[in-house]
Amino acid sequence: DTAVSQTPKYLVTQMGNDKSIKCEQNLGHDTMYWYKQDSKKFLKIMFSYNNKELIINETVPNRFSPKSPDKAHLNLHINSLELGDSAVYFCASSGGAGVQETQYFGPGTRLLVL
Amino acid sequence: GESVGLHLPTLSVQEGDNSIINCAYSNSASDYFIWYKQESGKGPQFIIDIRSNMDKRQGQRVTVLLNKTVKHLSLQIAATQPGDSAVYFCAENTGGFKTIFGAGTRLFVKA
Repeated sequence: DTAVSQTPKYLVTQMGNDKSIKCEQNLGHDTMYWYKQDSKKFLKIMFSYNNKELIINETVPNRFSPKSPDKAHLNLHINSLELGDSAVYFCASSGGAGVQETQYFGPGTRLLVL
Repeated sequence: GESVGLHLPTLSVQEGDNSIINCAYSNSASDYFIWYKQESGKGPQFIIDIRSNMDKRQGQRVTVLLNKTVKHLSLQIAATQPGDSAVYFCAENTGGFKTIFGAGTRLFVKA
C-alpha cells in the first residue's frame, strides 16, 4: 500500500543511454514533484506538475523531460545520460492546489551512470 | 540566492538525551517551514511543520521553534532513541508549490 511508488529502485546504465523512471501516487494528490539528491544528500527540486500541468521547471538540462499522463503519474525521461546524472531521484506528491502542504516522498531511484 | 542551511552537518547524541538540530534560512518571505527525516535508503518523511504566525509547535517527542527575527529554525527531539538516527532536513516555502530544502544534518544516536 505504498503511497508514492517509483520504479525502478536501482538503475545502472552506460553514458549516452536514454532511460525512464516512473512514479505513481495513490493519495489522490493534485501535485507531483521530481527531486534530485546528490552524494552529499543535497535535495533539489527539478520539476513540479499540478493537475498534469508543468508549474515548476528549475534549471534542468533539456535532456530531462517529465511527463504526466494523469494526476497520479509523473514520469521522468532522461536522454543521453551523463556521469553527473548519477544521483538518487525522488518523486513526491502533495495535495495542495496553491496551498502549502506536506510532501510525501517515494523511496527513490538510485541512478548510476558508468 | 535562496538558501536554507544548517549549522551542524553531523550531530552525535547519547540515547535518552535531547537533540537539537538547527537551521538558518535566508528568505524572509518564507512563511511555512517543515522538518523532514530521511532514514538510510528511504525517502524524506514529514516530521513536523510550523507557519510563520507561530514561534513554537509541539508534536510527539518533537518541538519546532521558529525565530523570524534571526531567521532561525530548530528541531528538538526529546529522549532521543536509536530509531531517531537519520538525516534531518529543514525546508522552507514562500507560498505555492516550491519548497527549498536545507543541506541536512546527520543525527547519530549512541546506545
